[in-house]
Amino acid sequence: GAGVSQSPRYKVAKRGQDVALRCDPISGHVSLFWYQQALGQGPEFLTYFQNEAQLDKSGLPSDRFFAERPEGSVSTLKIQRTQQEDSAVYLCASIEHETSYEQYFGPGTRLTVT
Amino acid sequence: QKEVEQDPGPLSVPEGAIVSLNCTYSNSAFQYFMWYRQYSRKGPELLMYTYSSGNKEDGRFTAQVDKSSKYISLFIRDSQPSDSATYLCAIKKTNAGKSTFGDGTTLTVKP
Repeated sequence: GAGVSQSPRYKVAKRGQDVALRCDPISGHVSLFWYQQALGQGPEFLTYFQNEAQLDKSGLPSDRFFAERPEGSVSTLKIQRTQQEDSAVYLCASIEHETSYEQYFGPGTRLTVT
Repeated sequence: QKEVEQDPGPLSVPEGAIVSLNCTYSNSAFQYFMWYRQYSRKGPELLMYTYSSGNKEDGRFTAQVDKSSKYISLFIRDSQPSDSATYLCAIKKTNAGKSTFGDGTTLTVKP
């Protein structure tokens, strides 16, 4: 079946622009995670949803970052007034239900801020 | 200091070699241990998942966890060129919770 998809796959933004990154989890998956992966580093946790509820946003680096999942399926990560340090790959992962352990990752969106 | 430290590599081995990848972590609250493989421009994919100390084997892959010394390892036997990728260790405090990742080790297996 279809895996986790993310769009766009690549995004170039000028410093100061707002961007919106989309994640389509596997159909029916309850939990959704966003991670940020800088070049040469491992993914770093940003935020976590269970259905439409955002249960943990402790990893969001600043108030310029905002995530939502209004209907408990598709999620959007929005970054306002992008900065060069926001350049990274943004990964989305979904989990089938709240007791599952396996996170299924999408291919990521590579954001470059110039 | 990061919560999980991974041997940085890169690692280059001939085909057929045994590969050892290692991580250490600092907080005993972490109870779940994983290894992911990440090919270039792809998302990580889960290779191994363990909970208790000891060994877990899956084909050519063996994951080893030593909770007393907070040390986790992944061994790859009879390595193949298709194993060339970045390997990430990851740890969790709860089964379905967020993962904390190492920075990855890039492995190249030469034919």
